[in-house]
Amino acid sequence: GAVVSQHPSRVICKSGTSVKIECRSLDFQATTMFWYRQFPKKSLMLMATSNEGSKATYEQGVEKDKFLINHASLTLSTLTVTSAHPEDSSFYICSATSPGAGRVRFFGPGTRLTVL
Amino acid sequence: GESVGLHLPTLSVQEGDNSIINCAYSNSASDYFIWYKQESGKGPQFIIDIRSNMDKRQGQRVTVLLNKTVKHLSLQIAATQPGDSAVYFCAENSNTGNQFYFGTGTSLTVIP
Repeated sequence: GAVVSQHPSRVICKSGTSVKIECRSLDFQATTMFWYRQFPKKSLMLMATSNEGSKATYEQGVEKDKFLINHASLTLSTLTVTSAHPEDSSFYICSATSPGAGRVRFFGPGTRLTVL
Repeated sequence: GESVGLHLPTLSVQEGDNSIINCAYSNSASDYFIWYKQESGKGPQFIIDIRSNMDKRQGQRVTVLLNKTVKHLSLQIAATQPGDSAVYFCAENSNTGNQFYFGTGTSLTVIP
């Protein structure tokens, strides 16, 4: 149980385009999902907390207009990187907590974004 | 702010030996800790967790030890196998906040 999926697993795009990344909880409902960013050989950095049916809460220094988050249902949250630039290239990972599993956060497999 | 750091960025062990990965945390309010394993190009995988009302917790081939006095956490892997090669992160959380603070990670390499 508590499986989190992401799509796509890898995306390459041109500078200036927008990219949407999906995060799904496959076997549970997640009222809250979390989006992380990870640079090579670095730790995970929390970008925002995605709340179903309401606005996301962004961490300090994360541009909300740059990284649009939508949590339209209890099993789906999306992160859209708008007007992507090479410095947005990174590994984006979502996570969620599962009811009954306490505070454990289960992570998706990640999405590798490369902006040319 | 809170910080979680690891004493050793890399660790190499012989197959079959035991591994010990250490983690220091600074937030005395943290009451919940998780160890994650991350293989290259994949998302973190839950290994084991421990609450602050415990000093030790065991799983399959893994043991987590918590020393609240010195704010130290360790992950012990018994009979380390090549499949254990990965980066290991500790993460801390307090029940008053949503934020999980991750350590910088320790890269474990198992030598066959």
